[in-house]
Amino acid sequence: AQSVTQLDSQVPVFEEAPVELRCNYSSSVSVYLFWYVQYPNQGLQLLLKYLSGSTLVKGINGFEAEFNKSQTSFHLRKPSVHISDTAEYFCAVSRYSSASKIIFGSGTRLSIRP
Amino acid sequence: DAGVTQSPTHLIKTRGQQVTLRCSPISGHKSVSWYQQVLGQGPQFIFQYYEKEERGRGNFPDRFSARQFPNYSSELNVNALLLGDSALYLCASSLASSGGSYEQYFGPGTRLTVT
Repeated sequence: AQSVTQLDSQVPVFEEAPVELRCNYSSSVSVYLFWYVQYPNQGLQLLLKYLSGSTLVKGINGFEAEFNKSQTSFHLRKPSVHISDTAEYFCAVSRYSSASKIIFGSGTRLSIRP
Repeated sequence: DAGVTQSPTHLIKTRGQQVTLRCSPISGHKSVSWYQQVLGQGPQFIFQYYEKEERGRGNFPDRFSARQFPNYSSELNVNALLLGDSALYLCASSLASSGGSYEQYFGPGTRLTVT
């Protein structure tokens, strides 16, 4: 079975500061990795995904993530955050064979202080 | 193009009642998945349907059922509602059933409150 652990439930940062949201996963098989964002009272939007190839993945809104197989991590980073980045962020995995079944972490709430 | 749409937006039901939630996928998408998101938690997979057939089921009781119609829209039914069924129910659509390159697009969700 697959599982996802998001190490921080809340991350407060000042505007224009860098941020890293941490994610570790567990799986006995190869998986796809995702980061989703959920703004208040909205559904989920895909930020970026790792399928194969380069371990550094760039997504929308200036976010990027690095896949580290040895540490089974997929941390999300942004060099300079904005107030509009305030949201809940979910790390997720899915197996190659059942990619529509996505296993989500419990989420990290990113709050930006002016 | 319209995204994934869900109806109703909000719903209040009483314990023991039954509820039906509806989802229309993006045009051309044949796969629909349902997720339950309890407040403060990540979404949990309930069902996936592809070409009107169930292709996956999460760890939910038999009170939960779903179906997909010839136009690829889908309904999620929950019988004998419990207080713990209160959650945001998310629908996601994708082009195909498997393969990570087939990105899932999520709808805005239906907020179900059971009193």
